[in-house]
Amino acid sequence: DGGITQSPKYLFRKEGQNVTLSCEQNLNHDAMYWYRQDPGQGLRLIYYSQIVNDFQKGDIAEGYSVSREKKESFPLTVTSAQKNPTAFYLCASSDRNGNTIYFGEGSWLTVV
Amino acid sequence: DQQVKQNSPSLSVQEGRISILNCDYTNSMFDYFLWYKKYPAEGPTFLISISSIKDKNEDGRFTVFLNKSAKHLSLHIVPSQPGDSAVYFCAASGANSGYALNFGKGTSLLVTP
Repeated sequence: DGGITQSPKYLFRKEGQNVTLSCEQNLNHDAMYWYRQDPGQGLRLIYYSQIVNDFQKGDIAEGYSVSREKKESFPLTVTSAQKNPTAFYLCASSDRNGNTIYFGEGSWLTVV
Repeated sequence: DQQVKQNSPSLSVQEGRISILNCDYTNSMFDYFLWYKKYPAEGPTFLISISSIKDKNEDGRFTVFLNKSAKHLSLHIVPSQPGDSAVYFCAASGANSGYALNFGKGTSLLVTP
């Protein structure tokens, strides 16, 4: 089955630690995205990538980093510089024109 | 600054009646609009979309209307069913931002029997 897989589903992080969220897609999509959802905030764009080895900052990129070494993979690292990392993170992918956008199931990150 | 706005955080509708969810946007460069349905702790699922060259798109019980001059779109669900109860997100995209989606804050729809 084609789709987007995010892992882990739940993750706990100690303050000061970096953590990486995985996102893999087998839809042959060129573009991939990371969003964050907070209560009452909707979904906010963190980073996006339209092609391998290239990515752009979204609205709330500070404290995050990404890489796009393979078309299928777009991991997100939440660094210790991110002041409020506890949130629900969603990965998405689409064709180059954004006409078909699919989301993963999401990852819950909690800082303890 | 929020470029996509859903001003109604919640909406309650009786089963069988019409649900109308509204969305406004500020960026005139947006040319593609989508509606997503989301349950708690799950990823959004795509419902329906509309290109800026159209003013209406219909798919079963769901119809999206686009008024470009007013920068407004709406989602109509007819007839509403209890299973439609969820949070609905309006999203917009354009070529100038790599087609990344800009989301509204969502409207929580409750369909009562």
